[in-house]
Amino acid sequence: AQTVTQSQPEMSVQEAETVTLSCTYDTSESNYYLFWYKQPPSRQMILVIRQEAYKQQNATENRFSVNFQKAAKSFSLKISDSQLGDTAMYFCAFHNQGGKLIFGQGTELSVKP
Amino acid sequence: GAVVSQHPSWVICKSGTSVKIECRSLDFQATTMFWYRQFPKQSLMLMATSNEGSKATYEQGVEKDKFLINHASLTLSTLTVTSAHPEDSSFYICSADRGSANQPQHFGDGTRLSIL
Repeated sequence: AQTVTQSQPEMSVQEAETVTLSCTYDTSESNYYLFWYKQPPSRQMILVIRQEAYKQQNATENRFSVNFQKAAKSFSLKISDSQLGDTAMYFCAFHNQGGKLIFGQGTELSVKP
Repeated sequence: GAVVSQHPSWVICKSGTSVKIECRSLDFQATTMFWYRQFPKQSLMLMATSNEGSKATYEQGVEKDKFLINHASLTLSTLTVTSAHPEDSSFYICSADRGSANQPQHFGDGTRLSIL
């Protein structure tokens, strides 16, 4: 079975500093997509960043970047220059070939002033 | 960008009533929509996959007679919680599949359901 694991239930970071959220997954598929979603207190699901497995280059979106290690099945999210608005639940997700999104347990990130 | 509208955003009702939640893709056609349930500070749990013109596919442990799903058109899926009880209180989120592998699902804003 495909699984996604986020081992950090809660994290905190000072405003303007950098934080890394970890995610590991398990699959036998060779090509797939990985995503990080942000869910603020409003509970909207917001796509933060995506990574295609066959691309070796790590995806970057402004202050957000990933460290994708395919062999280790690791997909961590780095948030640089953290802002108060980054406070949210963050979910790592794997898109399988059946079309389903498999979510991790989530990491609750608090950015402190 | 693609927009998915979910309605209502919040509903409170008495135990024993049925509640219908709508999920609409506003600017694209979605042959597949998904329904999730989320408890506070927990992850999204997939309940079922809604396929236009055919029966929904339910995940293991989800009561199909309790959670009725209808996907009658390419832009609308509905979830009906039948004879709702307090334990059905939760946050329900739908998503629509645009068929694009790099952004497979667009999410609605969710429905907070409270059963008294």
